[in-house]
Amino acid sequence: DAGVTQSPTHLIKTRGQHVTLRCSPISGHKSVSWYQQVLGQGPQFIFQYYEKEERGRGNFPDRFSARQFPNYSSELNVNALLLGDSALYLCASQNRGVNSPLHFGNGTRLTVT
Amino acid sequence: RKEVEQDPGPFNVPEGATVAFNCTYSNSASQSFFWYRQDCRKEPKLLMSVYSSGNEDGRFTAQLNRASQYISLLIRDSKLSDSATYLCVVNSGGGYNKLIFGAGTRLAVHP
Repeated sequence: DAGVTQSPTHLIKTRGQHVTLRCSPISGHKSVSWYQQVLGQGPQFIFQYYEKEERGRGNFPDRFSARQFPNYSSELNVNALLLGDSALYLCASQNRGVNSPLHFGNGTRLTVT
Repeated sequence: RKEVEQDPGPFNVPEGATVAFNCTYSNSASQSFFWYRQDCRKEPKLLMSVYSSGNEDGRFTAQLNRASQYISLLIRDSKLSDSATYLCVVNSGGGYNKLIFGAGTRLAVHP
């Protein structure tokens, strides 16, 4: 079975531009979460979606948005990119259930110049 | 205070050593606990869940102390391949399963 897949793998953007990152969860998983990981830190929670509804939002500005599609895949959008948005963006899926762990994709490494 | 705190290390140990990592969390409503392993420039991967009674998976043993809000990971007979960053992870409680990560503890095992 395929794991969580993310695209693209790497991306270089200029300040002020917009970016869209994509994620397909493990088959059967209806929940998708997005995390940002800056070098030297643990992943920081951005969003969680379940059944196409936003279930949680982390402490990120409104420039960050996301959505989930009927097939449970998801997109993360970031507008007006800043240098500080350079990071590894991780998508994870999980089975519904309070004790279920996250399964991560390989991530998208975004560099903003 | 951070929601999940870990000693960043690095822990430099020889092969065969036993090493222990500790983690504290601030939210007493947290219900699920995990250790993840992350290799350099890779995604985090689940190492093991942590249960109230403590649990073991081969050379790895995890313990949870809810009263002290403290989690530990013990690695016995360290291998070179254990070199990685170990992330302590706690769910936020509150009805949806938001997982909160510590900054990680770096382990370097040398010959």
